[in-house]
Amino acid sequence: EPEVTQTPSHQVTQMGQEVILRCVPISNHLYFYWYRQILGQKVEFLVSFYNNEISEKSEIFDDQFSVERPDGSNFTLKIRSTKLEDSAMYFCASSDGQTIQYFGAGTRLSVL
Amino acid sequence: AQTVTQSQPEMSVQEAETVTLSCTYDTSESNYYLFWYKQPPSRQMILVIRQEAYKQQNATENRFSVNFQKAAKSFSLKISDSQLGDTAMYFCAFTPYNNNDMRFGAGTRLTVKP
Repeated sequence: EPEVTQTPSHQVTQMGQEVILRCVPISNHLYFYWYRQILGQKVEFLVSFYNNEISEKSEIFDDQFSVERPDGSNFTLKIRSTKLEDSAMYFCASSDGQTIQYFGAGTRLSVL
Repeated sequence: AQTVTQSQPEMSVQEAETVTLSCTYDTSESNYYLFWYKQPPSRQMILVIRQEAYKQQNATENRFSVNFQKAAKSFSLKISDSQLGDTAMYFCAFTPYNNNDMRFGAGTRLTVKP
């Protein structure tokens, strides 16, 4: 069964550094998403992406964040100048537009 | 704004018994979808079941079924014949028809006891 793949599974970085979280969506999907889950809290929507542009973003998704689809398979989330409060689980999801979003296993980001 | 509320932070059930997890939501949308996702200790998000708001019939997937009450904006999950592998966080989620912005509840931690 096709699945969404996220790398790395765990990323440790120093405060102020930039990180790139990578996702390979399901191959025939056209809609891509990033979510964040701070430990012990609910999953929060960050951004959705379609047709090579952001279609919707939340208040969390400020200028510190950016997304990109650099080639035909990867979908990345870049976090510039990381802060301690960016420590969270980051989930990528993809959809063919027919209601179901399929989630990856997540990347645990630890900012020290 | 759409909100999803799960009023039960934690629940437990004996193996083989039935448990119901509650979820309510608030929206002005008429077309939307509702989901239950399971998050085991591995923290992966696994889709359990989904319901289209325009369908009156409650969705069922094997041991999992929902009680969808559109007028009351209620969407509970029933797990029958609970198994140890059902132990996980369960998140109720809502997305409008355009499927752009999925909102999650705070989750219910379910423990199945042997």
